[in-house]
Amino acid sequence: KNQVEQSPQSLIILEGKNCTLQCNYTVSPFSNLRWYKQDTGRGPVSLTIMTFSENTKSNGRYTATLDADTKQSSLHITASQLSDSASYICVVKKNQAGTALIFGKGTTLSVSS
Amino acid sequence: GAVVSQHPSWVICKSGTSVKIECRSLDFQATTMFWYRQFPKQSLMLMATSNEGSKATYEQGVEKDKFLINHASLTLSTLTVTSAHPEDSSFYICSARGRNYAGNTIYFGEGSWLTVV
Repeated sequence: KNQVEQSPQSLIILEGKNCTLQCNYTVSPFSNLRWYKQDTGRGPVSLTIMTFSENTKSNGRYTATLDADTKQSSLHITASQLSDSASYICVVKKNQAGTALIFGKGTTLSVSS
Repeated sequence: GAVVSQHPSWVICKSGTSVKIECRSLDFQATTMFWYRQFPKQSLMLMATSNEGSKATYEQGVEKDKFLINHASLTLSTLTVTSAHPEDSSFYICSARGRNYAGNTIYFGEGSWLTVV
């Protein structure tokens, strides 16, 4: 069954600290994996998109990793800021024509001062 | 700036009435648009996929007669919730994929909050 599991479900950290969010998937055949940031009541915003051959991709303070062999991905946030408080969603696309995206349930990150 | 625009952002309607939500791609031609709904603290749930000029493909369990989707042009798709009921209250989000799709990018709209009273 094609699934995307994220952990932890929620996370609270102090401003300035680093954190890592996890994503495991069983989607096959695999096309790409995306991390989105979704502020409360807003649409998701793309952070990174990684294909099978990419192991690491950075976008500012966000660094995503992908291990296609173990089907695991992580999103590392460096020097967190209050504005990083949001839901982070891992999304996997199947390598199959006409299919949409398979969403994880997200990790809710709260950054406090 | 936003490349996919949704309108309205917020809408309140009476039970039994219909409400239309628009999704526009601003800087590109969207050959495919996706409609999702999201309940509080839940992930996005795909409702339907629409390709320009053809009928939408609905996910299992989504009533096509209740959620009417029109994708008449390459820049506009609409979702009409017909005979809305309070249980239809949700956050509706569209996403769009461009013609070339070279960058694998799918852009999401800002979402539309629907409250049925």
